[in-house]
Amino acid sequence: TAGITQAPTSQILAAGRSMTLRCTQDMRHNAMYWYRQDLGLGLRLIHYSNTAGTTGKGEVPDGYSVSRANTDDFPLTLASAVPSQTSVYFCASNPGTGVDTQYFGPGTRLTVL
Amino acid sequence: GQNIDQPTEMTATEGAIVQINCTYQTSGFNGLFWYQQHAGEAPTFLSYNVLDGLEEKGRFSSFLSRSKGYSYLLLKELQMKDSASYLCASMDSNYQLIWGAGTKLIIKP
Repeated sequence: TAGITQAPTSQILAAGRSMTLRCTQDMRHNAMYWYRQDLGLGLRLIHYSNTAGTTGKGEVPDGYSVSRANTDDFPLTLASAVPSQTSVYFCASNPGTGVDTQYFGPGTRLTVL
Repeated sequence: GQNIDQPTEMTATEGAIVQINCTYQTSGFNGLFWYQQHAGEAPTFLSYNVLDGLEEKGRFSSFLSRSKGYSYLLLKELQMKDSASYLCASMDSNYQLIWGAGTKLIIKP
């Protein structure tokens, strides 16, 4: 099985442009997460979804939006990118039954110029 | 508040033992996770502790003291492939993970 896939692998984006980072999992996990990882900082939660049709804000949600139309997909959208959104973005999922291990996608490296 | 602290970087010698410490302050604590992350790759799960004591998995062991808000990851018989960042994360009352910044482990021959 593929587990979790993310696309694109990397992207250079002009400031002010919009972009959607894609995340798909085939493990039928209920919960999905978007993190950003910056040098010297821990993974920071942007948005999460405990089940299809619901989403919630994490620690750093400003400038980002998500949707969860079905179990498998959890896209992250930057409506108008700014240079401070340059980061590595990881999508993760787990069964969402309580204390579960999170499984990570390979990440998207985004540079906003 | 919620906080995780771990050293930024450690260096060890191939074949030796290294202990990576982590202290945490988490409301509604639901356990402590350790992940390994090689450069340019995704984090992968190593261990989970919720009860006090030592959990051993081959060359890797993880320890937890809930009363002290303290955990460590012990790596034995170090190999060059163990060069990576090691991420400590505590799970809060909402089953979400609070992450430390990671400890970069450099293994020298």
